[in-house]
Amino acid sequence: DAKTTQPNSMESNEEEPVHLPCNHSTISGTDYIHWYRQLPSQGPEYVIHGLTSNVNNRMASLAIAEDRKSSTLILHRATLRDAAVYYCILRGPNTGNQFYFGTGTSLTVIP
Amino acid sequence: NAGVTQTPKFRVLKTGQSMTLLCAQDMNHEYMYWYRQDPGMGLRLIHYSVGEGTTAKGEVPDGYNVSRLKKQNFLLGLESAAPSQTSVYFCASSYPDIGGEKAFFGQGTRLTVV
Repeated sequence: DAKTTQPNSMESNEEEPVHLPCNHSTISGTDYIHWYRQLPSQGPEYVIHGLTSNVNNRMASLAIAEDRKSSTLILHRATLRDAAVYYCILRGPNTGNQFYFGTGTSLTVIP
Repeated sequence: NAGVTQTPKFRVLKTGQSMTLLCAQDMNHEYMYWYRQDPGMGLRLIHYSVGEGTTAKGEVPDGYNVSRLKKQNFLLGLESAAPSQTSVYFCASSYPDIGGEKAFFGQGTRLTVV
């Protein structure tokens, strides 16, 4: 299984940008990088995904390194509702096209 | 649009009892998944299905069985529950497009085995 490495926890002040890193040195050329988040007592929800180019949507931005061995999820202005566990996941032929979760990064937003 | 619905939301079982968890999706997704999440841990894949009538083992399949008789439903069975199966169970579904399709998750079933 393709593996990802994330810090266990991070803190951010409210209304400031947050950069959540992810290392995936064993990524293959056809693996997509997905980000999901899990709010307390809820199921995971999709945040963003990309293959090679940086991606933006209404929730966040995804910055992918040129060698694709790392990526960063960017929340432009953290709110208290963004406090969650964020998972970086690879999906593609190298993972049997399945979603394998690691332990993720627990984000605390400080008012 | 209900998305992914799990039944029941909570359940307490005695050791050795059996039960079935139901997952239903209304998005016509080919792929469906069952995960378990233990306290402080990430989700671990139990079984998955890539289409009606097909199932496959994930990371932690022992002690569980699954069936996908209808495209919209994916059942997870525990034949003889053990305390080690106390966990929160999540179902998910997605389209099969390689890599680029996102998954939708249910709200979870909290199972306690005593």
